[in-house]
Amino acid sequence: AQSVTQPDIHITVSEGASLELRCNYSYGATPYLFWYVQSPGQGLQLLLKYFSGDTLVQGIKGFEAEFKRSQSSFNLRKPSVHWSDAAEYFCAVRSNDYKLSFGAGTTVTVRA
Amino acid sequence: DTGVSQDPRHKITKRGQNVTFRCDPISEHNRLYWYRQTLGQGPEFLTYFQNEAQLEKSRLLSDRFSAERPKGSFSTLEIQRTEQGDSAMYLCASSLGGLEGNTIYFGEGSWLTVV
Repeated sequence: AQSVTQPDIHITVSEGASLELRCNYSYGATPYLFWYVQSPGQGLQLLLKYFSGDTLVQGIKGFEAEFKRSQSSFNLRKPSVHWSDAAEYFCAVRSNDYKLSFGAGTTVTVRA
Repeated sequence: DTGVSQDPRHKITKRGQNVTFRCDPISEHNRLYWYRQTLGQGPEFLTYFQNEAQLEKSRLLSDRFSAERPKGSFSTLEIQRTEQGDSAMYLCASSLGGLEGNTIYFGEGSWLTVV
């Protein structure tokens, strides 16, 4: 069965600093990977996705992620965070039957 | 494209009461999903529909839970005899079938508090 691990429960970063959120997955076949963001009390917004091809994918809001098959990782990065990036971030892997399995999430706090 | 719409956004109910949530998917999306999310956790899959057919149900979906999608458009999720452990956010999502179905779009969620 597929699973996702997000090792960091909480990350604090200064505004303007870079951000990297880790995601490791377990899946037997070629994974379809996603990053979603959730603001407090809100639903999930898709940031980016990886299906195939270029292993560095660009998303919305200046985020990017890199798929590394050898490390079973799909880490999310942003070069310079804004206060509005404070939220919870979820990595997910899609199974063959279109079902998503999510990690437990990483909460990002941005300090001025 | 108005996105996935859920109603109500918040519901407070007494233990033992029944509640129903409604989801309107993105138009022309034939797949519809329900997930549940508790505080500090990622969403967990509950069930999904392709058109009006319910194709998979998680073991999380006890017999007090029932979901329908009668005409292949909107869906309802009903919880009977609510318990405090049902307090969570219930997320609806939709997608197209085929390759485009790889992207699942979520609604804003319906918060349930059972007191």
